[in-house]
Amino acid sequence: EAGVAQSPRYKIIEKRQSVAFWCNPISGHATLYWYQQILGQGPKLLIQFQNNGVVDDSQLPKDRFSAERLKGVDSTLKIQPAKLEDSAVYLCASSFAAGGYEQYFGPGTRLTVT
Amino acid sequence: GQQVMQIPQYQHVQEGEDFTTYCNSSTTLSNIQWYKQRPGGHPVFLIQLVKSGEVKKQKRLTFQFGEAKKNSSLHITATQTTDVGTYFCGVFGNEKLTFGTGTRLTIIP
Repeated sequence: EAGVAQSPRYKIIEKRQSVAFWCNPISGHATLYWYQQILGQGPKLLIQFQNNGVVDDSQLPKDRFSAERLKGVDSTLKIQPAKLEDSAVYLCASSFAAGGYEQYFGPGTRLTVT
Repeated sequence: GQQVMQIPQYQHVQEGEDFTTYCNSSTTLSNIQWYKQRPGGHPVFLIQLVKSGEVKKQKRLTFQFGEAKKNSSLHITATQTTDVGTYFCGVFGNEKLTFGTGTRLTIIP
């Protein structure tokens, strides 16, 4: 079974530039998550999709971050414009459904904002 | 939002020694999950606990859910170099998983 795919793996941009990340979840998984993990901290949920609908985006900085999952499969997360404090690893995860199902994480995208 | 504390933040042990990390919440939990993240890697699911007082074992790993469902622990017996990484607990609230601060385990060979 293929795992969660993410691209790119690494990205370096200057502040005020924009960047986009892509995620393809495990086939058949209805729930998709985007997490931000700052060095030395646990993953923080940015947004959670159930199929192509948003379940939770309470911690997404909506003035600069946006995400979509138009066809209920793959997803993109965008940052525009980036700030220095956005430097982090962005992890995508998926699960069979929402609630108490185990989450499978992708390898993440390491973003450095200079 | 859900608040969960993990202690200790760091643990350095000699290879062969035991290791324990604790996850504490101020509220009663419906369930708790444990994940392991190797250095430079991504979180990998280890186990989920649901019942009060539940104890589950995976080889040298023992997971426990407190009787009041407000705390949990992960114990590793006779650590090996492959156990290196950060161990996170995750608690559910409003169908959202909130991760603890993690315990970073390093092994001294």
